[in-house]
Amino acid sequence: DIQMTQSPSTLSAFVGERVTITCRASETVGTWLAWYQQKPGEVPKLLIYQASRLESGVPSRFSGSGSGTEFSLTITSLQPDDSATYYCQQYNSYSRWTFGQGTKVQIK
Amino acid sequence: EVQMVESGGGLVQPGGSLRLSCVVSGLTFSDYWMSWVRQVPGKRPEWVANIRPDGTEKYHVDSVKGRFTISRDNAKNSLFLQMDSLRAEDTAVYYCASPRDSTLSLVGAIYHWGQGALVTVSP
Repeated sequence: DIQMTQSPSTLSAFVGERVTITCRASETVGTWLAWYQQKPGEVPKLLIYQASRLESGVPSRFSGSGSGTEFSLTITSLQPDDSATYYCQQYNSYSRWTFGQGTKVQIK
Repeated sequence: EVQMVESGGGLVQPGGSLRLSCVVSGLTFSDYWMSWVRQVPGKRPEWVANIRPDGTEKYHVDSVKGRFTISRDNAKNSLFLQMDSLRAEDTAVYYCASPRDSTLSLVGAIYHWGQGALVTVSP
C-alpha cells in the first residue's frame, strides 16, 4: 500500500502566521490527494481535493499544492478557528486509499 | 441536505459478527460510489471498503479481506458492511461516506460522512 507521511506531527504558531504542512507519498499518486481538517468530536472536513482544488465554502487562506509524491497544505494567515488536526489522503485508484498520520495545529 | 444514518454498532466478542447499515437521503444514492471508513479516536482515519454505484465492483482493505463484505441496496438507499470474525483491532467508529457528487473524478475525496457507529470488540 501507498504510505503517506506528514510533517510536522505538531506545530504551534501565532494568529496571522503562515503555516505549511507537508505530505509525502511512498509512490506517485499524481494529483489524487485530499486534505482534511478534523476538530475533536467531529468528522473530517474536506478542505482540498485533487491536490490544489479548494472545496466550496472553505476559506481562501487554505491552499494546496504538489504532485507525484510531494504535497503541501498552506494556511496563509492562521486563525483561532484553524486549531485542529489535519490529514492528507491519497486516492490514486478506487481502492487502497490511505491517510497520513495527521498534523496537530495549535495556536500560541 | 444529505444525511447518512448508520446503525448496527455495538459490543461483540472476538470472533463474532455485526452488520452495519447506513440509510442515505438527500442525494441520488444509485449514482454514487460509497465507502466505509473507520477511525479509532485520536488516530488517523482508515479506509475500509468501497462499492461501485451498481454494486458490481467492491474493494476492501487488506486487513479485512475475507472477513468484511460491503454491499448496497439501491432500492432502499442503503449501504451495508457485514463484519465477521471480528478482532480487537477492528474496534473503531465506522463511518458511511461518499464524495460530494457523482462525478468520477471526485471519488476518493470524501465529503459526506455519517455520524458514525461505534464497534467494540472485546471479551
